[in-house]
Amino acid sequence: QLHLQESGPGLVKPSETLSLTCSVSNGSISSRTYYWGWVRQPPGKGLEWIGSIFYTGRTLYNPSLKSRLIISVDTSKDQFSLRLSSVTAADTAVYYCARLGMFLPPGIEGIRYFDAWGRGSLVIVSS
Amino acid sequence: DIQMTQSPSSLSASVGDRVTITCRASQTINIYLNWYQQKPGKAPKLLIYAASSLQSGVTSRFSGSGSGTDFTLTISSLQPEDFATYYCQQSYSTRYTFGQGTKLEIK
Repeated sequence: QLHLQESGPGLVKPSETLSLTCSVSNGSISSRTYYWGWVRQPPGKGLEWIGSIFYTGRTLYNPSLKSRLIISVDTSKDQFSLRLSSVTAADTAVYYCARLGMFLPPGIEGIRYFDAWGRGSLVIVSS
Repeated sequence: DIQMTQSPSSLSASVGDRVTITCRASQTINIYLNWYQQKPGKAPKLLIYAASSLQSGVTSRFSGSGSGTDFTLTISSLQPEDFATYYCQQSYSTRYTFGQGTKLEIK
């Protein structure tokens, strides 16, 4: 069964860069079917999509974060990573990595959905 | 961005009740709509994709319907393990967006 695991510092200072890595096991990140993504959830609040990446390196970013965001992939290690710069307290959240599966109904383009998730990593932005 | 609005934001119900949660998109999204369940301290879990397709391993108590802008998630007979927060999510636009969530509590 596919397993995703987030790793990285749990505390980041304001104005610095938040970095997280997602390690994928029991599956290959180089599949042509899946995208891989990041979703975050501030304490007590809802879910926000951050961005997604294909194994080729093609990325999709949330426009509200795009100017501060880099998502990258390392296929040799079956990992993908998130870097969010110039963080503030508003970036405090649980950060989830997830796999984006796809359903291909007849007549329309593929429908993406988050079908596997990591356990999440709490990142607190504080001095 | 496509805005997703869920109603109600919270709901109290009893074991055995039939419950319906609604999700409305700010523009038409065909059937590009997914539903997730999240329990406290846990990652979200996919329940329904493409508006009405049940994810493998998910109990048939859950069902989804709708297309265009209006969608529903129905739980046919609430069980204790169903008390959680539910989110809808659109993938019509690659700028994926979630609803604000519906918290289902025990009455």
